[in-house]
Amino acid sequence: QVQLQQWGAGLLKPSETLSLTCAVYGGSFSGYYWNWIRQPPGKGLEWIGEINHSGNTNYNPSLKSRVTISVDTSKNQFSLKLSSVTAADTAVYYCAREGIVVVPPAFNWFDPWGQGTLVTVSS
Amino acid sequence: SSELTQDPAVSVALGQTVRITCQGDSLRSYYASWYQQKPGQAPVLVIYGKDNRPSGIPDRFSGSSSGNTASLTITGAQAEDEADYYCNSRDSSVHVVFGGGTKLTVL
Repeated sequence: QVQLQQWGAGLLKPSETLSLTCAVYGGSFSGYYWNWIRQPPGKGLEWIGEINHSGNTNYNPSLKSRVTISVDTSKNQFSLKLSSVTAADTAVYYCAREGIVVVPPAFNWFDPWGQGTLVTVSS
Repeated sequence: SSELTQDPAVSVALGQTVRITCQGDSLRSYYASWYQQKPGQAPVLVIYGKDNRPSGIPDRFSGSSSGNTASLTITGAQAEDEADYYCNSRDSSVHVVFGGGTKLTVL
């Protein structure tokens, strides 16, 4: 059974860079997309971006200028960096594995999810 | 990018059937997946594809789709089903999109 475990700094000052890592245990890294999703307090889910085992990335256009997602297949880990954070970036950040079927009718799904990391941006 | 629209809140009497809907242009070519989230917990996948349930998800959860609308139906809602529910798909630019979420109250 695949499990995701994530970690990273939970308190940042404005303008700093958020950095989180997610480790994948018990499953193959290939054949899936590996995603970062966040949830501001009391609000809904917001997709940040994704990467596959080959390093191909896809980012939310609203965050693209500040986001970098990378992968280390030798460690079965992938990471998120979000630069120039502000209070608006305060959220619980989740990593998640995404499966995709592209043959129509297409569908995708996120399972499993990491435990979540609360990142607070405050001066 | 496309948006997915959900009703902010829905309620259901214990043991009754409730349908939670998700609307968006992307759903004409993509099945939605559905997630249940309880306070302080990570989302949990409950339905994906045409009507697939992951292992461990009760069969009272089912999914359907018509046109630009996807639905999650809970047949015989239980107290433990009270949670936030989110739909998800990809848009025409292959970006991931989530609905705004529906808070389900079981009365």
